[in-house]
Amino acid sequence: DAKTTQPTSMDCAEGRAANLPCNHSTISGNEYVYWYRQIHSQGPQYIIHGLKNNETNEMASLIITEDRKSSTLILPHATLRDTAVYYCIVRVGEAAGNKLTFGGGTRVLVKP
Amino acid sequence: GAVVSQHPSWVICKSGTSVKIECRSLDFQATTMFWYRQFPKQSLMLMATSNEGSKATYEQGVEKDKFLINHASLTLSTLTVTSAHPEDSSFYICSARRLGGNEQFFGPGTRLTVL
Repeated sequence: DAKTTQPTSMDCAEGRAANLPCNHSTISGNEYVYWYRQIHSQGPQYIIHGLKNNETNEMASLIITEDRKSSTLILPHATLRDTAVYYCIVRVGEAAGNKLTFGGGTRVLVKP
Repeated sequence: GAVVSQHPSWVICKSGTSVKIECRSLDFQATTMFWYRQFPKQSLMLMATSNEGSKATYEQGVEKDKFLINHASLTLSTLTVTSAHPEDSSFYICSARRLGGNEQFFGPGTRLTVL
C-alpha cells in the first residue's frame, strides 16, 4: 500500500472549517483513499473514502486532486468533539478484507 | 448498526499471567476480524487478521504463540496474551468486517496494564 504524509498536528477554531491535507504521491490506480479518526482512548472511527471523485457525507467532505497524489479532508464546521487524531490511509481495493496500515496521523485540536 | 464491543475495557494483571480479550460484533456477522496494538503516543499497529473457522494470519514480528487468537464464531474473536510482561502493556483494539460488506468497524479498545 502507498505511504501517506500528513502534518503532525494542527489547530482549528470551533465553528470554522478544518482542512486536513494528505500527500500520497505514490498511490496506484487501484488504491482508495480512506480517512479515519481516533478520539483519545477510543477505537478508530471511519469517516469517508474515495477513489477519484470528491465525496461528501454527513461527517465530512473528501477532495482528491486530479492526479490523485494528494487529498484534503474537510470538516465543514468543526466542534470541540472533533478533537482527535485523523488518519489518511490508502488501500488497494474497496474490500475491507485488505489490511489498513495506519501512519502517524494528524493530531487536530479544535479550540473554542 | 455495525457495533463492535470489547471486553474488558481495561485490565490490570501480574507479570506471568494470561489475559483474554473478547471482541464481539453485536449486530452483524463478521467473517474477518483484525487485532491491533497501540502504544502511548503511537499509531495503531496491526497484529493479526483472523477469519472465522481458520487460523489467524500474524504480521511480521508478532509472536503467534504469545498472542493466541481464536475466531470460533461469526460474532466473536478472542485474543489471549499469554505469560504477559510489562512490555505487553498497551491498548488493544479489534475491528470487524461485516459479512458481504466493505468497511472495518472498530471496537472501543482494551487497555492492558501488566505489573
